[in-house]
Amino acid sequence: AIQLTQSPSSLSASVGDTVTITCRASQGITSALAWYQQKPGRAPKLLIYDGASLESGVPSRFSGSGSGTDFTLVLRSLQPEDSASYFCQHFHNNPPLTFGGGTKVEIK
Amino acid sequence: QVQLVESGGGVVQPGRSLTLSCAASGFTFSTFGMHWVRQAPGKGLEWVAVISHEGDNKYYGDSVRGRFTISRDNSKKTLYLHMNSLRAEDTAVYYCAKGYIVATIFDGMDVWGQGTTVTVSS
Repeated sequence: AIQLTQSPSSLSASVGDTVTITCRASQGITSALAWYQQKPGRAPKLLIYDGASLESGVPSRFSGSGSGTDFTLVLRSLQPEDSASYFCQHFHNNPPLTFGGGTKVEIK
Repeated sequence: QVQLVESGGGVVQPGRSLTLSCAASGFTFSTFGMHWVRQAPGKGLEWVAVISHEGDNKYYGDSVRGRFTISRDNSKKTLYLHMNSLRAEDTAVYYCAKGYIVATIFDGMDVWGQGTTVTVSS
């Protein structure tokens, strides 16, 4: 099974900061990676599809990049409402479709 | 609007069975792959299973393969997860989710239900 390693597991940043979350796959997955945001008690929300495509309605301060084994999610101009957990997920044609362990973002 | 509503969760004893349902509305259910994802208390997301839009292809996570069965009834716009031989470690919130691209089984998920809670305890 393809393993996804996210880092960091948690971070704390101030409003207006830029934060970067990384997701590394144990083998190449082309660009078959999605990023999700999850707030406590809520279902996950799709942010980024296929490595870098911003989902409709998601603020442009979110961006994704990467292909192969290394991917990043960048949150620019951090806002209070960005406090949440973020997860990567691969959908390469090699099931199971695993999730990364998650990154908890706290706003100072 | 596009909506998924799960039901069927509850408290069940170890070794027993339970079936979850997910009612879909607001989109052409029969054209999208559908997923189940779970989240144990205080833990991350775990992908459970996926079924193709026509129901002829199914894949499972390692921890549930052989115990859980995903199925769908396109005429009823409903997704199911039948869970056998339940264990304490199956305790989680179970979400159903819609695949992103038409007729694609290996996919991201763009619409999620609110989740239904399964607790396995004696």
